[in-house]
Amino acid sequence: AQSVTQLDSQVPVFEEAPVELRCNYSSSVSVYLFWYVQYPNQGLQLLLKYLSGSTLVKGINGFEAEFNKSQTSFHLRKPSVHISDTAEYFCAVSPYILTGGGNKLTFGTGTQLKVEL
Amino acid sequence: EAGVTQFPSHSVIEKGQTVTLRCDPISGHDNLYWYRRVMGKEIKFLLHFVKESKQDESGMPNNRFLAERTGGTYSTLKVQPAELEDSGVYFCASSRTRRQGGTDTQYFGPGTRLTVL
Repeated sequence: AQSVTQLDSQVPVFEEAPVELRCNYSSSVSVYLFWYVQYPNQGLQLLLKYLSGSTLVKGINGFEAEFNKSQTSFHLRKPSVHISDTAEYFCAVSPYILTGGGNKLTFGTGTQLKVEL
Repeated sequence: EAGVTQFPSHSVIEKGQTVTLRCDPISGHDNLYWYRRVMGKEIKFLLHFVKESKQDESGMPNNRFLAERTGGTYSTLKVQPAELEDSGVYFCASSRTRRQGGTDTQYFGPGTRLTVL
């Protein structure tokens, strides 16, 4: 089984400041890692994902995340946020399965990012 | 291409009534997932279809929930009879057939907000 922890339920930040949203996970098997974003009144949109290879992953809208296996973390960062980044961000994992099965996602509780002027 | 659509966007019903939620996946996507988010908590997996077959229904809360995917296209999730604790946002996601050892990116719909009074 997998679990995901997003310790920060809300993160306020001023526009053009950097931001880091934290995500830690627990799993007995190898996992894939994802960050999704939900803008107000919209569905979840994939920001970025880590499958394998380079531990630094770049996504849309200037976001990036770094996979740290030893710390079982996948923190999301952006060097300079914009008002339009105000949204709820979800970290998720799915187990690495060779054959069969599905890729059901296990989500964290979400972090509400509020960008202020 | 059109995204994942869900109907209705909102539903308010009384305890004991029946509600049916519908999800239309992206055309050609064999995998269809249902998730639910109860207020303030994480998004939780309910079940996974591959075409018309239920691949994994380990997240279904109880037998008041019935999911179908006739013909492997759209899916319905029926709650009968609804209880207060069923309130939440129900998300549907779809993805292409997963390559062996790989993973499928899940595309989410906007969700159906269900309120049981």
